[in-house]
Amino acid sequence: EAQVTQNPRYLITVTGKKLTVTCSQNMNHEYMSWYRQDPGLGLRQIYYSMNVEVTDKGDVPEGYKVSRKEKRNFPLILESPSPNQTSLYFCASRALGGPQHFGDGTRLSIL
Amino acid sequence: AQTVTQSQPEMSVQEAETVTLSCTYDTSESNYYLFWYKQPPSRQMILVIRQEAYKQQNATENRFSVNFQKAAKSFSLKISDSQLGDTAMYFCAFTSLTYNQGGKLIFGQGTELSVKP
Repeated sequence: EAQVTQNPRYLITVTGKKLTVTCSQNMNHEYMSWYRQDPGLGLRQIYYSMNVEVTDKGDVPEGYKVSRKEKRNFPLILESPSPNQTSLYFCASRALGGPQHFGDGTRLSIL
Repeated sequence: AQTVTQSQPEMSVQEAETVTLSCTYDTSESNYYLFWYKQPPSRQMILVIRQEAYKQQNATENRFSVNFQKAAKSFSLKISDSQLGDTAMYFCAFTSLTYNQGGKLIFGQGTELSVKP
């Protein structure tokens, strides 16, 4: 089954404690993105990748890092999380010309 | 820069009735895609319908149809015969064909739709 898998689905943590949200897709897609969803703002792109070792900032990249060492994986790293990064996060992938496939989301709470 | 605006934060409709959700967008491009996504309480992002800007014919998927007005930059979603399972947040989204920023989607603020029995 074609899917984008994110883990964890929920995480409560404290300010400053490094965390990683994993994302994996099994469709051999070139393009992968991370979005955050906040009330009244919709979803906004954090980072994206157009292929292995090719990543770039989206619209709201501050406080986040990503890597793309393998085509299927695109982890989101928060080196020193802060409360303003409390949000719902989505990983997405797509092939050239194809629709976006979304993961099921990660609810992140930073105290 | 492209923007997408949904001016109705919340809407409600009686079961079996028809409801229309509004969306306007701004872009200087002539070729692009527009989408409506449904987000139920499970938080999944589910693609409802897609419209290619170069197609004049409005897209339809079962009970869901759009009214695409390219000159007015308007893209509304009509849900016919509303069902309780249609209760969800609905997002309008835009993407350019230039694959700027990895083909990112630009989302509206969302409209929370409640279908009442």
